[in-house]
Amino acid sequence: AQKVTQAQTEISVVEKEDVTLDCVYETRDTTYYLFWYKQPPSGELVFLIRRNSFDEQNEISGRYSWNFQKSTSSFNFTITASQVVDSAVYFCALRLNSGGYQKVTFGTGTKLQVIP
Amino acid sequence: DTEVTQTPKHLVMGMTNKKSLKCEQHMGHRAMYWYKQKAKKPPELMFVYSYEKLSINESVPSRFSPECPNSSLLNLHLHALQPEDSALYLCASSQGAGTGNQPQHFGDGTRLSIL
Repeated sequence: AQKVTQAQTEISVVEKEDVTLDCVYETRDTTYYLFWYKQPPSGELVFLIRRNSFDEQNEISGRYSWNFQKSTSSFNFTITASQVVDSAVYFCALRLNSGGYQKVTFGTGTKLQVIP
Repeated sequence: DTEVTQTPKHLVMGMTNKKSLKCEQHMGHRAMYWYKQKAKKPPELMFVYSYEKLSINESVPSRFSPECPNSSLLNLHLHALQPEDSALYLCASSQGAGTGNQPQHFGDGTRLSIL
């Protein structure tokens, strides 16, 4: 069975600080996909990034960066110079490429509050 | 603006009412999903439609009845709901159901309250 753990329930930072959201996953499959979603108070889940299990290259997109390490089964998300608009709940998710590929296993989410 | 449109945004209904939630996407996606999300919890999968056919039902009570009239539309018919069914109901779509690498695109959700 798959599992995604986001140990940080809530994080508060002051605007312009950097913050890292942790994600640890478990799966026996060798091919899988990892995602990060942002859920602002309005409710919609916004897709941020997808990472394939065979591609460990880290990625940077503006103030966002992702660190994927298969050796530790982690897929951490860093926001540089945080802004108030970054306040939201962030979900890490895992999806397989076989069998139950249509199912997404979500972590429990990390609520980020950026204080002005 | 989200590319997946859900209506209504808010719904209050009694336990004896019949109502429907609607979801629409025009991205040409062939997989559509219903999720239920309680406060401070991650979304829970309810149903998956692939090419307009129901492919996954996560043991959802029969008081929830999904329908996919065409590739762009997904409905969720509600009847005789219970107070514990109050939640945010999210619709999502993805390009295909062939592999797991397609991200799901979500709507804003319908906030449902059962009196």
